[in-house]
Amino acid sequence: QQPVQSPQAVILREGEDAVINCSSSKALYSVHWYRQKHGEAPVFLMILLKGGEQKGHEKISASFNEKKQQSSLYLTASQLSYSGTYFCGTEQEDSSYKLIFGSGTRLLVRP
Amino acid sequence: NAGVTQTPKFQVLKTGQSMTLQCAQDMNHEYMSWYRQDPGMGLRLIHYSVGAGITDQGEVPNGYNVSRSTTEDFPLRLLSAAPSQTSVYFCASSYLGQGFAFFGQGTRLTVV
Repeated sequence: QQPVQSPQAVILREGEDAVINCSSSKALYSVHWYRQKHGEAPVFLMILLKGGEQKGHEKISASFNEKKQQSSLYLTASQLSYSGTYFCGTEQEDSSYKLIFGSGTRLLVRP
Repeated sequence: NAGVTQTPKFQVLKTGQSMTLQCAQDMNHEYMSWYRQDPGMGLRLIHYSVGAGITDQGEVPNGYNVSRSTTEDFPLRLLSAAPSQTSVYFCASSYLGQGFAFFGQGTRLTVV
């Protein structure tokens, strides 16, 4: 079952923060986050496994609430290079290895 | 180390024609998958494989066949192309379990 992402689109000024959410009605084993720029392939950002683990890399971090089957991606002090479409992908506990993506969140960072 | 290689990059087919999209990886990944992405849309899983000789259906498998005779290759066959199959096709691979997906650069397919 496809995870639900929100918001569908975000426009930021450089330096502002953003949160992108991903939720599922099914019990999840893992949540993946990817960024895709126009005309390019998706690029991996991070993976979160069952256990409520929070991961981070510089100014981009994420959390996974396994009780609520929700994940959030945090973009801090956004840069122009953060612009793109962000996808979450989820693996359900009852169908491991089947990575299903949400419909994406378009992020535009303006100077 | 080439990663995930997809061929061709562009293809135009006539309705009813068949063709095979190639995907190869050199990272010894067990897991390989095919996605399609329509304009402005997300990625939809067509088929996936957890190892040589093992394949399974994804969200939108109709009209497509796959096989996995080796760890490295995972070709996607369009049996009888339809305009609704016009899309960008991405192949991805990863290690099983905790692996994240490496994506190929995509094949842009147009069916006229």
